[in-house]
Amino acid sequence: GESVGLHLPTLSVQEGDNSIINCAYSNSASDYFIWYKQESGKGPQFIIDIRSNMDKRQGQRVTVLLNKTVKHLSLQIAATQPGDSAVYFCAERELSYIPTFGRGTSLIVHP
Amino acid sequence: SAVISQKPSRDICQRGTSLTIQCQVDSQVTMMFWYRQQPGQSLTLIATANQGSEATYESGFVIDKFPISRPNLTFSTLTVSNMSPEDSSIYLCSVEVLAGDPNTQYFGPGTRLTVL
Repeated sequence: GESVGLHLPTLSVQEGDNSIINCAYSNSASDYFIWYKQESGKGPQFIIDIRSNMDKRQGQRVTVLLNKTVKHLSLQIAATQPGDSAVYFCAERELSYIPTFGRGTSLIVHP
Repeated sequence: SAVISQKPSRDICQRGTSLTIQCQVDSQVTMMFWYRQQPGQSLTLIATANQGSEATYESGFVIDKFPISRPNLTFSTLTVSNMSPEDSSIYLCSVEVLAGDPNTQYFGPGTRLTVL
């Protein structure tokens, strides 16, 4: 069936650098995409979302880019901080359906 | 947003026993879900908890193993029955909050289950 996956299971960065976490999706009918952050011992926390009629959306220190041509989604974190260390999940959904979650990328920020 | 609490936060159980996990939301929500997250893995939907009717289970999950209750719009329970070590996982309650189109999904802190 359709699936959502991540390219890199682990990403290590230095504090202050920018981080880019990538996600590939295969369901061409998906029209809504979400990024979640999961810190150790906690549940996933909503970060940012984007509709399929957009190719970029910015939040506080985070930017999500959507390339529907190649079915690719990315999360950019500016000036990465130790508190950004977590597992990041992308999720995709058709609006009337429940989201499908990707595999997750572990972001490690070194001070 | 929604504030979701789960009880217990963690437990260690013996093989063959059952554990009931509670999920409480601070506001009335239409949609409640239960997920499983095995160590180092992503989230897998177990079922949608329907208020006033039987839960809707995903492929690979059955009511006898994971009975779910949803007595009202703020509370749900998931029971993991006749546990085996393979059931060791984090179990997450999730709700969908009406926030326009699309709605936003929030998660509880999870229940970490270890089966010996």
